[in-house]
Amino acid sequence: DQQVKQNSPSLSVQEGRISILNCDYTNSMFDYFLWYKKYPAEGPTFLISISSIKDKNEDGRFTVFLNKSAKHLSLHIVPSQPGDSAVYFCAASATGGGADGLTFGKGTHLIIQP
Amino acid sequence: KAGVTQTPRYLIKTRGQQVTLSCSPISGHRSVSWYQQTPGQGLQFLFEYFSETQRNKGNFPGRFSGRQFSNSRSEMNVSTLELGDSALYLCASSLEPGRWTEAFFGQGTRLTVV
Repeated sequence: DQQVKQNSPSLSVQEGRISILNCDYTNSMFDYFLWYKKYPAEGPTFLISISSIKDKNEDGRFTVFLNKSAKHLSLHIVPSQPGDSAVYFCAASATGGGADGLTFGKGTHLIIQP
Repeated sequence: KAGVTQTPRYLIKTRGQQVTLSCSPISGHRSVSWYQQTPGQGLQFLFEYFSETQRNKGNFPGRFSGRQFSNSRSEMNVSTLELGDSALYLCASSLEPGRWTEAFFGQGTRLTVV
């Protein structure tokens, strides 16, 4: 069973507009969430994270929102740029970001249209 | 500073054979974790090593094993290969276990089982 779900395999957004990537989780023990970005032929790179004690974390053009009651988080990219085209993975940890493996979603392929 | 190095980059093996993949972490990083990426399952945690000890293991059969050496380099081994083992195998290194926001991934080893 998929504990972290990214239900949109792909998303196409116009350059300059907002990109919203969604992620749902089922495990109530998850308390730390991360987003990774992956280009083809490269490993994932860390983008932004959020702890369950917060509902929002912002870093430049990237903002992650967490709705614990709905077990839902989203990544907002504003404004979207061509270099944002990549696969985005949502990941979760059940140990406050501690020493346990991450559980990943299957990823969403974001395509930024010129 | 050199990044995480995984060798080989590409590998083709026959069903029933075994394979060993290598991961050299960033200098100074003592924690290495391994992930399997497939189109159907996304990124799945295999295991994590720290100070030559396996700390955590994901839900994979015993055919998947690993080890870590005193210089923090890690290897993973898959015995009796099956077609379903075809995947991109990624390793990530960090200073300590659970430092996910400071973890760096390698480019991965693409294993094809025929």
